[in-house]
Amino acid sequence: AQSVTQLDSQVPVFEEAPVELRCNYSSSVSVYLFWYVQYPNQGLQLLLKYLSGSTLVKGINGFEAEFNKSQTSFHLRKPSVHISDTAEYFCAVSEQYTGNQFYFGTGTSLTVIP
Amino acid sequence: NAGVTQTPKFRILKIGQSMTLQCTQDMNHNYMYWYRQDPGMGLKLIYYSVGAGITDKGEVPNGYNVSRSTTEDFPLRLELAAPSQTSVYFCAIKGGQGETQYFGPGTRLLVL
Repeated sequence: AQSVTQLDSQVPVFEEAPVELRCNYSSSVSVYLFWYVQYPNQGLQLLLKYLSGSTLVKGINGFEAEFNKSQTSFHLRKPSVHISDTAEYFCAVSEQYTGNQFYFGTGTSLTVIP
Repeated sequence: NAGVTQTPKFRILKIGQSMTLQCTQDMNHNYMYWYRQDPGMGLKLIYYSVGAGITDKGEVPNGYNVSRSTTEDFPLRLELAAPSQTSVYFCAIKGGQGETQYFGPGTRLLVL
């Protein structure tokens, strides 16, 4: 089984400042990687995903993430956050060849301060 | 949340009661999933299905049952509700390997 670690449970950041949300995973096989966002009282929405190719992945709302195979990381970044980015963010992983299941991290709560 | 419908949105149960959480999709995806979300715990997989007639246990299946008689529907059954099953339940679908999971809006369940 895979495991996903989101190192920060809460991240406060001022509006227009940059932010990085960290995600590390453990796996002995090749994986697909995902970042989801959850706004209050809603389901999860996909921000971006890494399947193969370029290790820098761009997603919606100005977010991007970089896959680092040697460090087994997939950190999410945004150069300038907005109030509307306040939400819960989840990192997830699935195995490339037997990937029926997704494994989620415990989430990072991003709070953007005006 | 387009394509995945969950009912009911909210429910309060007494200990020992039973209920079925409904999940219906209109995207003709093979893979369907049930998760529960508890505060600070992320999402835990309860059961999943790779196609009609095929289901398998996830990480936390105890106390739940599922069936998949059609591609569209994947109901989750609680037979004897317990306070530990108080949670938010999400249904999700996926088309194939490497594809995105799409989530429903969730069902909030309180067991008293």
